[in-house]
Amino acid sequence: DAGVIQSPRHEVTEMGQEVTLRCKPISGHNSLFWYRQTMMRGLELLIYFNNNVPIDDSGMPEDRFSAKMPNASFSTLKIQPSEPRDSAVYFCASSFVGDTEAFFGQGTRLTVV
Amino acid sequence: LAKTTQPISMDSYEGQEVNITCSHNNIATNDYITWYQQFPSQGPRFIIQGYKTKVTNEVASLFIPADRKSSTLSLPRVSLSDTAVYYCLVENSNSGYALNFGKGTSLLVTP
Repeated sequence: DAGVIQSPRHEVTEMGQEVTLRCKPISGHNSLFWYRQTMMRGLELLIYFNNNVPIDDSGMPEDRFSAKMPNASFSTLKIQPSEPRDSAVYFCASSFVGDTEAFFGQGTRLTVV
Repeated sequence: LAKTTQPISMDSYEGQEVNITCSHNNIATNDYITWYQQFPSQGPRFIIQGYKTKVTNEVASLFIPADRKSSTLSLPRVSLSDTAVYYCLVENSNSGYALNFGKGTSLLVTP
């Protein structure tokens, strides 16, 4: 397996634009996590899914953020409209439900100007 | 969730043993202790997990005292490539294994 695949690796966008980050988890994994990492706030859990169902989205900063997992092999994190303070590295990770060993993707570095 | 506390940063010289301690005073009976490592520009990577006593693998050892209110990650004879951020997590099935990371401990290894 190629591991967790995230796209794009880098994204530069203008304030107010919609941004969509994509994630393909490891085949067979049934938990998926979205994180945001900044120097100031560290690695924050935004939302996680078990068996494609959102379990906890309390980390989603505001209504501008939304995440979906339409099937077991794909998830998106959308920011609309984007703001400069959304600039961060966004990580996706997957694991088996109930397993604390998660595998992370390479991340998407988002810059909102 | 059991909150964890770890030092913000640590420094070490090459070849030394490094011990990073994590406090988790409110750990529950069914909580597991997991450590991750993150290199710059990469996502975190699982290192080791334990419930009690000692666990050892090819990367590190994890020491957990009987009361389980703390744990110590031990890295033997560190090299420059061990420079990374190390995270301590405490998770259980009740939380759905949400994998909440704190700020971690930034370890700098120098020659």
